[in-house]
Amino acid sequence: QKEVEQNSGPLSVPEGAIASLNCTYSDRGSQSFFWYRQYSGKSPELIMSIYSNGDKEDGRFTAQLNKASQYVSLLIRDSQPSDSATYLCAVNMNYGGSQGNLIFGKGTKLSVKP
Amino acid sequence: DGGITQSPKYLFRKEGQNVTLSCEQNLNHDAMYWYRQDPGQGLRLIYYSQIVNDFQKGDIAEGYSVSREKKESFPLTVTSAQKNPTAFYLCASSPWAGTGELFFGEGSRLTVL
Repeated sequence: QKEVEQNSGPLSVPEGAIASLNCTYSDRGSQSFFWYRQYSGKSPELIMSIYSNGDKEDGRFTAQLNKASQYVSLLIRDSQPSDSATYLCAVNMNYGGSQGNLIFGKGTKLSVKP
Repeated sequence: DGGITQSPKYLFRKEGQNVTLSCEQNLNHDAMYWYRQDPGQGLRLIYYSQIVNDFQKGDIAEGYSVSREKKESFPLTVTSAQKNPTAFYLCASSPWAGTGELFFGEGSRLTVL
């Protein structure tokens, strides 16, 4: 069973705080992990990708990967109201080398209060 | 500007009608995808294409059909066999198949009356 689990939220944080979004996945052999941001009524936009254990930082965003525990997280520092969106976790589960196995979670809705 | 163009953005359909959603990209990407998104749900893969004249079924292909006659174009037909077609449809592309780094179009919202 190919599953990616996220807390649906809403996660509410005050402006300037750190927002922490979490994601777990079922396939231990997964190799690549992605975070997409989706504003209400819009299409998803890739904001972070991570391929190896540890942290990857890009501006105010940090992706963290722990393959042993099968979880990936996204930290948003100095949260701004413009960060209010739904964040989708996606995991590339390659079954037998077949393509098209990018599995999306249902997303966590983040609300940043001014 | 390079990107993915989907049309129409909004579409209303009567039950029993087939409709075709257009997706065009000028990113020179080999792979293209169609996803469906329902409220509060993640994206579910309908069809994908790794290369021209080739496409594969995703998890929810029943009631849908696609073609890939040109690298730039990947239209999706929602047939009358699709029992619950009202949804937000997203087309995406990537430089090659198998990467999770997708570029999405703006989406097409289909409502069945």
